[in-house]
Amino acid sequence: EPEVTQTPSHQVTQMGQEVILRCVPISNHLYFYWYRQILGQKVEFLVSFYNNEISEKSEIFDDQFSVERPDGSNFTLKIRSTKLEDSAMYFCASSGEGATEAFFGQGTRLTVV
Amino acid sequence: RKEVEQDPGPFNVPEGATVAFNCTYSNSASQSFFWYRQDCRKEPKLLMSVYSSGNEDGRFTAQLNRASQYISLLIRDSKLSDSATYLCVVPRDSSYKLIFGSGTRLLVRP
Repeated sequence: EPEVTQTPSHQVTQMGQEVILRCVPISNHLYFYWYRQILGQKVEFLVSFYNNEISEKSEIFDDQFSVERPDGSNFTLKIRSTKLEDSAMYFCASSGEGATEAFFGQGTRLTVV
Repeated sequence: RKEVEQDPGPFNVPEGATVAFNCTYSNSASQSFFWYRQDCRKEPKLLMSVYSSGNEDGRFTAQLNRASQYISLLIRDSKLSDSATYLCVVPRDSSYKLIFGSGTRLLVRP
């Protein structure tokens, strides 16, 4: 069964450092997303990406965040200068034509110290 | 009114019980709805999609009431493995953004 894969599963970084979270969406999907979940809180939308550009972003997704699809398979989330409050589980998701159901990767747990 | 609202629970039920969760949504134009299941520290996994009045898959039944703007999830014959958090998810109309409820926690005890 096709699945979304994310690497790394866990990343620890020092405050102020840059991190790149990587995702390989399901191969024939067209819409890609990043969500995050702070421990004990609900899943929050960060950004959606379609046709090689951002289609929507939340107010969480400020200038410190960027996304890229560097090739035909990877989809990355970069945080330029991490803050303590960026500590969360980051989920990548993708959906097919019609942007119906989204399928999630297993997540990257980011810990900023 | 919150975009998607759920009773946080927890619902603590014995094995074999029937349990129902409700979810209300604010956007009357929403056309599709989803229930996801999330285990502790894992990713949300799609459980059911609802596009019309309802959907049934084995022990799970989802019903949609557009007039009252709520979606329900019914689980019959609960299993221990059903213990999880159930997330009501509504796409924001004309965008590709999923709005998640806070989730309802279910604990099924032996």
